[in-house]
Amino acid sequence: GESVGLHLPTLSVQEGDNSIINCAYSNSASDYFIWYKQESGKGPQFIIDIRSNMDKRQGQRVTVLLNKTVKHLSLQIAATQPGDSAVYFCAENEGGGSNYKLTFGKGTLLTVNP
Amino acid sequence: DAMVIQNPRYQVTQFGKPVTLSCSQTLNHNVMYWYQQKSSQAPKLLFHYYDKDFNNEADTPDNFQSRRPNTSFCFLDIRSPGLGDTAMYLCATSRDRPDQPQHFGDGTRLSIL
Repeated sequence: GESVGLHLPTLSVQEGDNSIINCAYSNSASDYFIWYKQESGKGPQFIIDIRSNMDKRQGQRVTVLLNKTVKHLSLQIAATQPGDSAVYFCAENEGGGSNYKLTFGKGTLLTVNP
Repeated sequence: DAMVIQNPRYQVTQFGKPVTLSCSQTLNHNVMYWYQQKSSQAPKLLFHYYDKDFNNEADTPDNFQSRRPNTSFCFLDIRSPGLGDTAMYLCATSRDRPDQPQHFGDGTRLSIL
């Protein structure tokens, strides 16, 4: 079936470095993508989203890149801080106007070393 | 602050004993969702409400039911919990379109003994 997956289950970086978290999706009908951050014992927290008519979107210290040709999504975090340590999930929505389901990827654990 | 609030944060219940989890929102969003998240896994959608319209996922067990008495509240009822239902249960809301972010509560961690 269609799925969203992640290349790297864990990522360890030094404080101040840039982080890149990758996500592959297989459903070519998906037209809306979200990145969530989930800290231990908490619910997923919205970071940034992107629609399929865009290939890049920037937020505060974060950038999402979408490559529809190879069905790839990435989250870039600039100047990573210890507070960025968490599990990061990408999620996709098939859209079509009436499908509200988000399909989540497996998650990447980001550890920031001081 | 506007938010999604889940109660209780932790719930322990016995095998087969019905349990109800609650969710409230101050965002006035049309859509409310219930997800199940098992340890070290991604959240998995159980069902959602668009206003009063209930939408069940095909693979959600019959043991799981939901009620939405008004815009602000939504409940998850597990009629006869099994050991495999031990998980974090997350409630989320979104405004009124699929291409809008879903906002999550901090979940209820449910343990079945």
